[in-house]
Amino acid sequence: QKEVEQNSGPLSVPEGAIASLNCTYSDRGSQSFFWYRQYSGKSPELIMFIYSNGDKEDGRFTAQLNKASQYVSLLIRDSQPSDSATYLCAVNIGSSNTGKLIFGQGTTLQVKP
Amino acid sequence: EAQVTQNPRYLITVTGKKLTVTCSQNMNHEYMSWYRQDPGLGLRQIYYSMNVEVTDKGDVPEGYKVSRKEKRNFPLILESPSPNQTSLYFCASRSPDTSDTQYFGPGTRLTVL
Repeated sequence: QKEVEQNSGPLSVPEGAIASLNCTYSDRGSQSFFWYRQYSGKSPELIMFIYSNGDKEDGRFTAQLNKASQYVSLLIRDSQPSDSATYLCAVNIGSSNTGKLIFGQGTTLQVKP
Repeated sequence: EAQVTQNPRYLITVTGKKLTVTCSQNMNHEYMSWYRQDPGLGLRQIYYSMNVEVTDKGDVPEGYKVSRKEKRNFPLILESPSPNQTSLYFCASRSPDTSDTQYFGPGTRLTVL
């Protein structure tokens, strides 16, 4: 089993819809979780981080964490064509904040006008 | 402006010819990392450093070396490059503060013939 798993997609949603991106991880001791967005040919950029169980909202983005199920998700409300990109889930492996980040393969999101 | 710089941005070389990819950050960050990104495999951590003279292996360290003699610089060294090291490489940095963003460099596209 991979340490961080994502469905590679593509996930296609119409403009204005909610896009739901999912990620599971294998290390129960992990404490820090990150979502990055990467446009084609560009470097990843951080969208959100979450450490506590529950939801965390920032504008149109909501991250959800369930440590018991080892599951983290990203919801994008009112999806726009400019949201079309690859979304990477990353997990800080281990129980302390080390520099070791494991990334999922990424989910490609396509928002159709 | 906060930034991570990498050089060169593009490099074509031949098998066995030693090369160094430089990485520099101007944010006084303790943590720095190198990743490679390959289609279908996502971002994989090669090496990371938690401070000067403190480095550790990531998931795919074979064939690579790093050094951290100064806080701002974290060069990636390929002593004897091979074609399977053809990839897109990213350097990244962040502070130990768990709420801090990880900044990525612009990427170096390496081709080993």
